[in-house]
Amino acid sequence: ETGVTQTPRHLVMGMTNKKSLKCEQHLGHNAMYWYKQSAKKPLELMFVYSLEERVENNSVPSRFSPECPNSSHLFLHLHTLQPEDSALYLCASSQDNGPNQETQYFGPGTRLLVL
Amino acid sequence: DAKTTQPPSMDCAEGRAANLPCNHSTISGNEYVYWYRQIHSQGPQYIIHGLKNNETNEMASLIITEDRKSSTLILPHATLRDTAVYYCIVKSNFGNEKLTFGTGTRLTIIP
Repeated sequence: ETGVTQTPRHLVMGMTNKKSLKCEQHLGHNAMYWYKQSAKKPLELMFVYSLEERVENNSVPSRFSPECPNSSHLFLHLHTLQPEDSALYLCASSQDNGPNQETQYFGPGTRLLVL
Repeated sequence: DAKTTQPPSMDCAEGRAANLPCNHSTISGNEYVYWYRQIHSQGPQYIIHGLKNNETNEMASLIITEDRKSSTLILPHATLRDTAVYYCIVKSNFGNEKLTFGTGTRLTIIP
């Protein structure tokens, strides 16, 4: 138990569906991240939020839409996904003290299958 | 360009020390060496990090060479639950640099 929870753990969706992934951290951190891990590929950073503001968007298609309503919660809204978007989506949090960024704590991930 | 080089896979007997090497010959003075691991079907887990001194915690020891061009993660008494992919990451703790995961070393602990 890392203090970062993700729901759902597994999700199957069609290409026309809209779904949301949820992440919650109980560590008092002020930065949250979304990563994508496809089969046989390294983790790819998607989005970074610091103090509830998006500070990084790594050229992610607009069919992925993040939302950070407060420092403890992070969502990833999905719509009109493609089969190649099937992957493990990981959330992480850290205490970002500006120039001194601490280590990241990861959730268990949501395994997404797009049919 | 990858900042680190790791062997793709290693085996280690249960109960023995697992020594995982990492080369980072282009590391700069303000970059730390981080180690994470990812057990199958789980998110990555932080293990340890260091700048130039050797570090030890309840999970592992990190040995960094004097020239800082390579390091070794040591799991002193490997158990079957240590089977995972181990990532060595070089990262500055200043500015906006984020963790960049490579392909890591797949460590298999043999009973």
